[in-house]
Amino acid sequence: EPEVTQTPSHQVTQMGQEVILRCVPISNHLYFYWYRQILGQKVEFLVSFYNNEISEKSEIFDDQFSVERPDGSNFTLKIRSTKLEDSAMYFCASLLSRGQGRWEQFFGPGTRLTVL
Amino acid sequence: GIQVEQSPPDLILQEGANSTLRCNFSDSVNNLQWFHQNPWGQLINLFYIPSGTKQNGRLSATTVATERYSLLYISSSQTTDSGVYFCAVDGRFASGSRLTFGEGTQLTVNP
Repeated sequence: EPEVTQTPSHQVTQMGQEVILRCVPISNHLYFYWYRQILGQKVEFLVSFYNNEISEKSEIFDDQFSVERPDGSNFTLKIRSTKLEDSAMYFCASLLSRGQGRWEQFFGPGTRLTVL
Repeated sequence: GIQVEQSPPDLILQEGANSTLRCNFSDSVNNLQWFHQNPWGQLINLFYIPSGTKQNGRLSATTVATERYSLLYISSSQTTDSGVYFCAVDGRFASGSRLTFGEGTQLTVNP
């Protein structure tokens, strides 16, 4: 069964460094997402992406974040200058349309980012 | 935005017991999903259930959209059922397709 994959599974970085988190959504899915989960908290929406552009973003997704689909398979989240509070689990998701305005999102296994 | 409340926040069971987890939401929804977050942090899709009832093995779910709640039933619980269960919804009148998650129910199943 097709799955969303993410790399790396763990990333440790120093404050102020740039990180790129990578995702391969399920092929033939057209909408892609990033969510994050700070340890012990609920999962929060960051951004959605469709047709090579951002379709929606949350207040968390400020100028230090960017997303890109550099080729036909990868979807990336870049954090330009990491802060301690960026430490979290980052999930990528892609959307399966079920018709009539109904859809289901499938999540990758996550990248655990630790900022020191 | 839409609010999602899950109860109970914590649940401890003995192996073999049954349980019911609840998800209340504050507005009409287009979509509702239940997830299980395992001890490794992975989010596993359990059910896509904007309305009606579905069953998958020992798990079943019911969503009563008109009354704005969903229930997840776990029967004959096993230690591998431990983890956090999340309900997530997309508000019918919200723009876009973001999922809003509840705070989750932390389930511990003891042998």
